Amino acid sequence: GAGVSQSPRYKVAKRGQDVALRCDPISGHVSLFWYQQALGQGPEFLTYFQNEAQLDKSGLPSDRFFAERPEGSVSTLKIQRTQQEDSAVYLCASSRTLGGRDIQYFGAGTRLSVL
Amino acid sequence: AQKVTQAQTEISVVEKEDVTLDCVYETRDTTYYLFWYKQPPSGELVFLIRRNSFDEQNEISGRYSWNFQKSTSSFNFTITASQVVDSAVYFCALSDLNQAGTALIFGKGTTLSVSS
Repeated sequence: GAGVSQSPRYKVAKRGQDVALRCDPISGHVSLFWYQQALGQGPEFLTYFQNEAQLDKSGLPSDRFFAERPEGSVSTLKIQRTQQEDSAVYLCASSRTLGGRDIQYFGAGTRLSVL
Repeated sequence: AQKVTQAQTEISVVEKEDVTLDCVYETRDTTYYLFWYKQPPSGELVFLIRRNSFDEQNEISGRYSWNFQKSTSSFNFTITASQVVDSAVYFCALSDLNQAGTALIFGKGTTLSVSS
């Protein structure tokens, strides 16, 4: 597609529910990133994929968070047993190549509200 | 450790005023990239500019200009003759030039409100 697409745009979950957030990166982009943006804050890194390989998951806040990109394109971020502190906007970004020099293009995010 | 500081939380201006958004960064790396992104109410982060640490030349793009000064570790962004459509949250970000898959380190953002 023309840009990074994320779905759903909004998700309301009851505490304890599992959620799955989807990211469709720009076609052909090698690198894919997930970020978490709390209200009034800048995005913070969660995890990074190079094609289908998850090379960095140092930003995942707990083992309730899990991400995958099985075929090197679409990625899913899953949060198990959601807690109120998980409420945030989850942003996905992709870049054409490897390396910190490349521009990351962002989707509009999924706003997760945990009640 | 890498860090980006945007000291201005909110700025309000009237249309046609010039406004400068400040960004100060910290890094021990000698090679790095700096970025500015715009986040309108729709939520999507829109790329504005990328600058590498070897290029201190200032850049102008229409009403936008950027002043990069390594001596003060600053990368400030100026909007000339602001317009209502410029209202958004603006983020400054930093990344390592050479490391593969480097995540961006963002500041907390500056909310710009331009009134007519």
